[in-house]
Amino acid sequence: ETGVTQTPRHLVMGMTNKKSLKCEQHLGHNAMYWYKQSAKKPLELMFVYSLEERVENNSVPSRFSPECPNSSHLFLHLHTLQPEDSALYLCASSQDRTATNEKLFFGSGTQLSVL
Amino acid sequence: EDQVTQSPEALRLQEGESSSLNCSYTVSGLRGLFWYRQDPGKGPEFLFTLYSAGEEKEKERLKATLTKKESFLHITAPKPEDSATYLCAVPFGDYKLSFGAGTTVTVRA
Repeated sequence: ETGVTQTPRHLVMGMTNKKSLKCEQHLGHNAMYWYKQSAKKPLELMFVYSLEERVENNSVPSRFSPECPNSSHLFLHLHTLQPEDSALYLCASSQDRTATNEKLFFGSGTQLSVL
Repeated sequence: EDQVTQSPEALRLQEGESSSLNCSYTVSGLRGLFWYRQDPGKGPEFLFTLYSAGEEKEKERLKATLTKKESFLHITAPKPEDSATYLCAVPFGDYKLSFGAGTTVTVRA
């Protein structure tokens, strides 16, 4: 496989469930990101990891918990979500530590529905 | 407040009908402006980066231009396969790439 792969593609969960989103990048990049995309709203940056260290937490509620075990894998652990958390969750990677001068490579996303 | 605004929200074109999309931004010290294309059910795909006013980049039927306050994405003689949502983004801070809400382009044959 090439690029950025996200699983699952679709997820339906209840408000009391615990689930995890997985992202894997096959590009040898050093930085990985989680973005949230809601209908008709701009992409919102959630978390940034650079060389497996979290460097940005964009005021995200604690019911979202990221994990980056190595430079190729990124997880987003979900628990006690709210219906307003329903959205497309996108993972991205970039070569360097920052996104300011590097283009991002996105996965296809996980479409999350919270019932 | 730093922000990125795109217009129009949606654009319906006939095949061959050229048009332009706008991305306006307010930021202190622009360090680049990015254009991405997003197809339904997929993540955004990088198109261009522009760094200074007057710069232009082209790719097939797309041309991006940059001024001190805004960027335009010109679509010349579009085809149905150009139908997508086009996103622009500007860096704020070290790690944050702030996106506009996008313009959804539909090209009818």
